[in-house]
Amino acid sequence: GEKVEQHESTLSVREGDSAVINCTYTDTASSYFPWYKQEAGKSLHFVIDIRSNVDRKQSQRLTVLLDKKAKRFSLHITATQPEDSAIYFCAARSSSGSWQLIFGSGTQLTVMP
Amino acid sequence: EAAVTQSPRSKVAVTGGKVTLSCHQTNNHDYMYWYRQDTGHGLRLIHYSYVADSTEKGDIPDGYKASRPSQENFSLILELASLSQTAVYFCASSVPGQESQNTLYFGAGTRLSVL
Repeated sequence: GEKVEQHESTLSVREGDSAVINCTYTDTASSYFPWYKQEAGKSLHFVIDIRSNVDRKQSQRLTVLLDKKAKRFSLHITATQPEDSAIYFCAARSSSGSWQLIFGSGTQLTVMP
Repeated sequence: EAAVTQSPRSKVAVTGGKVTLSCHQTNNHDYMYWYRQDTGHGLRLIHYSYVADSTEKGDIPDGYKASRPSQENFSLILELASLSQTAVYFCASSVPGQESQNTLYFGAGTRLSVL
């Protein structure tokens, strides 16, 4: 089945700098890639996603890039702010077989003032 | 806004005891899920349901049962709690489909400690 690997377990950046979180997946049939954010002591909420028919999607300071050939996708956060500090989870869903979301292990992003 | 409510928010259980975690959603979503979160493992799917009175096994169902008595309610049952089941449990709901975002709406989580 699908496996999603999130490469950075922790990431620290200075406020105002950019942050990049990388994920890889194994199932070539995966077609939907969302990102979720979990702030300290809180639940997860959806932040942005990308589908396999595009290779880039931007929403304000967030951009998701998808490289289907390398089976890699990444979350780019520009002009980071302290409120961006959280655990970010990537996920993937296959378009064939199981439709379940498979999550990565999470990246703790810390934005230092 | 979508609402998923979990109870209890935290629980301490004894090894071998029975634990029931409850989840209630007011989103009118057909799909509900139970995930387990462990440090370093992200979220892993335990059970899910796409219709009342029916449940399906996820990736790590062993040691867990699920019950979906109505569209709004989805319970996770640990018949014989074990130390290895200490974790944070999240319930979620969604409306998956080819054309939808398949966005998961998560509850606040239940922190379970088995002693």
